[in-house]
Amino acid sequence: AQTVTQSQPEMSVQEAETVTLSCTYDTSESDYYLFWYKQPPSRQMILVIRQEAYKQQNATENRFSVNFQKAAKSFSLKISDSQLGDAAMYFCAYTEYGNKLVFGAGTILRVKS
Amino acid sequence: SQTIHQWPATLVQPVGSPLSLECTVEGTSNPNLYWYRQAAGRGLQLLFYSVGIGQISSEVPQNLSASRPQDRQFILSSKKLLLSDSGFYLCAWSDGTGTIYGYTFGSGTRLTVV
Repeated sequence: AQTVTQSQPEMSVQEAETVTLSCTYDTSESDYYLFWYKQPPSRQMILVIRQEAYKQQNATENRFSVNFQKAAKSFSLKISDSQLGDAAMYFCAYTEYGNKLVFGAGTILRVKS
Repeated sequence: SQTIHQWPATLVQPVGSPLSLECTVEGTSNPNLYWYRQAAGRGLQLLFYSVGIGQISSEVPQNLSASRPQDRQFILSSKKLLLSDSGFYLCAWSDGTGTIYGYTFGSGTRLTVV
């Protein structure tokens, strides 16, 4: 079964600086999809960014970008110019067509002012 | 556009009482529906998922059950709550053709069993 590993239980970043959250996954498939979700203190789960494995170009959404390394099975999230509103729990997730999402255990991001 | 509604937002129930949490989706048909539970500061535990009316798959044996009486309605129930049922419950939906666009989550229900 596919697994998703987030090895950083907690991370801290100074406001306006850049932080990278790590995610690795295990799969034997070549076609799949990866996601980062944000869960702020309200606990609403929000989709931050999505990556299709067959696309070599890294996805970006404003201050959020990913570093997708398919051979290494790595999918890290970079947050630039961190803001207080970025403080949240971040979940990495993996899926293949027709299958359920597999979530990592999450990384708590704290933003210091 | 598609929206997902989940209620109630907060619930405090005594041990041994019944439970009913409801989730409905608008703007789509034949969605895949999911119930997750999350302990404070922890990850997501998939409880149930459904690919159609009356079709329920249980991921973890629980004191809970789920039902899908209508295409866009998903209900989480218990006949007798336990203290260990406390937690944050999230409903989610995905396109019935696959999950390649991820899940859309409801706003959650915070359940406290006392």
